[in-house]
Amino acid sequence: EAQVTQNPRYLITVTGKKLTVTCSQNMNHEYMSWYRQDPGLGLRQIYYSMNVEVTDKGDVPEGYKVSRKEKRNFPLILESPSPNQTSLYFCASSLTLGTSGETQYFGPGTRLLVL
Amino acid sequence: KQEVTQIPAALSVPEGENLVLNCSFTDSAIYNLQWFRQDPGKGLTSLLLIQSSQREQTSGRLNASLDKSSGRSTLYIAASQPGDSATYLCAVTQNQAGTALIFGKGTTLSVSS
Repeated sequence: EAQVTQNPRYLITVTGKKLTVTCSQNMNHEYMSWYRQDPGLGLRQIYYSMNVEVTDKGDVPEGYKVSRKEKRNFPLILESPSPNQTSLYFCASSLTLGTSGETQYFGPGTRLLVL
Repeated sequence: KQEVTQIPAALSVPEGENLVLNCSFTDSAIYNLQWFRQDPGKGLTSLLLIQSSQREQTSGRLNASLDKSSGRSTLYIAASQPGDSATYLCAVTQNQAGTALIFGKGTTLSVSS
């Protein structure tokens, strides 16, 4: 089954404790990205990757890191989480870039609470 | 900066009713527009994608239209069912690289039986 998976689905942590949210897709997609969703603000892009070893900042990259060492995986790293990073996070992927008309596939989301 | 607005924020209708969800965007220089469905505890599912050169797309009971010049899109749902209850999001692809979707805040639809 074609899918985007994220782990963990739920996470409670404390300020300053490094964490990684994993994202994996099995569709051989080139493009992957991370979004966060907050009440009243909607979905905003954090980082994206156009291919292996190619990453770039989205609208809200502060406090986050990413890496793309393999085509299928795109982990999101919070080196020193803070309460304002409490949010619902989504990973997404598509075969190519958006202007070609390829739809984006989203993972189920990771709900993060930083105390 | 592109802004995407969805009205209404919430909508409740009885089963069987036809309904329209609205999406507007401030910058008409978009490459495509997508409508997504979001169910609680689940990710987003793409419903329809309209290229900027297209006027509408249809899938089953769903029909999405795009008027790029006026910065508007509508999602028409025919003969609504309780299973249609969800949050509907529209998103535009703005830059030529297509590297980001800019989302509206969504319309939460509730269909009662």
